[in-house]
Amino acid sequence: GAVVSQHPSWVICKSGTSVKIECRSLDFQATTMFWYRQFPKQSLMLMATSNEGSKATYEQGVEKDKFLINHASLTLSTLTVTSAHPEDSSFYICSAYPGSANSPLHFGNGTRLTVT
Amino acid sequence: AQSVTQPDIHITVSEGASLELRCNYSYGATPYLFWYVQSPGQGLQLLLKYFSGDTLVQGIKGFEAEFKRSQSSFNLRKPSVHWSDAAEYFCAVGDQSWGKLQFGAGTQVVVTP
Repeated sequence: GAVVSQHPSWVICKSGTSVKIECRSLDFQATTMFWYRQFPKQSLMLMATSNEGSKATYEQGVEKDKFLINHASLTLSTLTVTSAHPEDSSFYICSAYPGSANSPLHFGNGTRLTVT
Repeated sequence: AQSVTQPDIHITVSEGASLELRCNYSYGATPYLFWYVQSPGQGLQLLLKYFSGDTLVQGIKGFEAEFKRSQSSFNLRKPSVHWSDAAEYFCAVGDQSWGKLQFGAGTQVVVTP
């Protein structure tokens, strides 16, 4: 089945630094990927839609300059949390669409970000 | 706007007993409905989905769900739970098979011996 890999699975960084999270579709090409954020004991909230070769579409309330998304190839999307602060600590999950008709999204295993 | 409600935040069930998780949605058109399971610190695994056709859908791990348009519901069921079913379960709705999903708040399932 379709596999989506996220890296790193967890990261600790200092306040003010930037962190890059990768989302790769391992055995399929994904023109569209989605980035979600999940706070502890809460549901997933869509942050942005990542489109290969074009600018990401951000959901209302998500700072595009804070959360930089790059989808430079059909198998890789990256999310960079810039100038991270403790309130950015969260679980970030990506998902990708395999492209075949009626095929659902496949999710990565998530990245736990802790900003100290 | 579409929305998903999972009324039960937490459910405790004995191993071997049946399980039903409720999900109600609000959506203007025919929804695409999903159930995902999440183990602690992990991503989401798709249990099953409904796009069209037979309203009773079978999924992995012995789960099934029934789409009831009249009740705007898509409840998840399992006849006999196993300890490994302890996890967080999310119902989600979308306007297509691969588009943006709106997730419910999730239901935490605890399985007791």
